[in-house]
Amino acid sequence: SQELEQSPQSLIVQEGKNLTINCTSSKTLYGLYWYKQKYGEGLIFLMMLQKGGEEKSHEKITAKLDEKKQQSSLHITASQPSHAGIYLCGADEDKIIFGKGTRLHILP
Amino acid sequence: KAGVTQTPRYLIKTRGQQVTLSCSPISGHRSVSWYQQTPGQGLQFLFEYFSETQRNKGNFPGRFSGRQFSNSRSEMNVSTLELGDSALYLCASSFGGRETQYFGPGTRLLVL
Repeated sequence: SQELEQSPQSLIVQEGKNLTINCTSSKTLYGLYWYKQKYGEGLIFLMMLQKGGEEKSHEKITAKLDEKKQQSSLHITASQPSHAGIYLCGADEDKIIFGKGTRLHILP
Repeated sequence: KAGVTQTPRYLIKTRGQQVTLSCSPISGHRSVSWYQQTPGQGLQFLFEYFSETQRNKGNFPGRFSGRQFSNSRSEMNVSTLELGDSALYLCASSFGGRETQYFGPGTRLLVL
């Protein structure tokens, strides 16, 4: 079955810095979701990518899906305290499976 | 439009008891999925319901069950609770299952 590996597991960055989170799949991705979770709360949908090479942006967050559709990256520009949380990638198999998440801390 | 709601938000039970959690999807959504989230295992799929039928099931023991009503509201039940069942239980809804899922705030269950 498909597995998603996220890296890094956790990340501490200074406010204003850029950062990247990666999600690698063991199989070709047919739908890749990015969600954000505030600690102990539900998931907030960020973006969905389907096509190889696709890139989407929302405010200061950009997500890309590589041409081979086995890796996705989430890039945050000029990070802010509001970006802190857990970022999860999810893949659309016969059900949606998720990576273990990347915990992002922003230092003021 | 109201989001996905889950009740209760917090729950404390003891081993051996049973618990029922409720999820009300976004209006018009017919698919409801349930997930268990723990620090060690991450977010794991429990089951999905669509039009009152279980469409998909994860690898959880039979103590975990669910159902969906005609108004798309869903409940999940865990019988004979174990300490390891302590987790955040999340439900998510979508129109038909393959579209973007929208998550509720979760129910945090603590088993003592």
